[in-house]
Amino acid sequence: EVQLVESGGGLVQPGGSLRLSCAASGFTFSNYEMNWVRQAPGKGLEWLSYISGTGTTIFYADSVKGRFTISRDNAKNSLYLRMNGLRAEDTAVYYCAREDWNDALDIWGQGTMVTVSS
Amino acid sequence: DIVMIQTPLSLSVTPGQPASISCKSSQSLLHSDGKTYLYWYLQKPGQSPQLLISEVSNRFSGVPDRFSGSGSGTDFTLKISRVEAEDVGVYYCMHSIQFPYTFGQGTKLEIK
Repeated sequence: EVQLVESGGGLVQPGGSLRLSCAASGFTFSNYEMNWVRQAPGKGLEWLSYISGTGTTIFYADSVKGRFTISRDNAKNSLYLRMNGLRAEDTAVYYCAREDWNDALDIWGQGTMVTVSS
Repeated sequence: DIVMIQTPLSLSVTPGQPASISCKSSQSLLHSDGKTYLYWYLQKPGQSPQLLISEVSNRFSGVPDRFSGSGSGTDFTLKISRVEAEDVGVYYCMHSIQFPYTFGQGTKLEIK
């Protein structure tokens, strides 16, 4: 079964750091581009970051550029999001999503909740 | 950045009746490669988003044929021919023609 499972969310103080992980299974992870998308409580979807299959091409939304770092370990079938300088407005459910050959986000994880609060 | 505007923001539909959601982009989503990078997603209550439609009109695997997508350039529409109870949730359009990808605000569909 094709699956993505996020982990690493939790409660963190403003200014703190967190690393999210996304474990992939059921497909050849290195063949796929990956993305992070978040959803603040009661709000819509916000795309955050993209990484190519090899990890050499990366893009970020302006809202997280310079604070968040996307990476992947194809040997471990894992995607990561390192989040530094967290703010209250970063409070959200964070999803990893696979990008298919049609550039659609075809597989999504269940999400992991990040709460930034003192 | 490309702005995606959806209308309406909410929809209440009687089962068996049709529904339509519009999505307009601030720039054309037609790429020089001939593809139009417009997608539709549904987020059912308490669930992760799920892909419905790729490249304007291609239903994703397992998506019922009561869902259809149409449009071109900057104007797109998602239609449900006969709404069922399981179709409730929030529908989002999204583009991936350039970075940053952006989503519409979402359209909440409820059943009357």
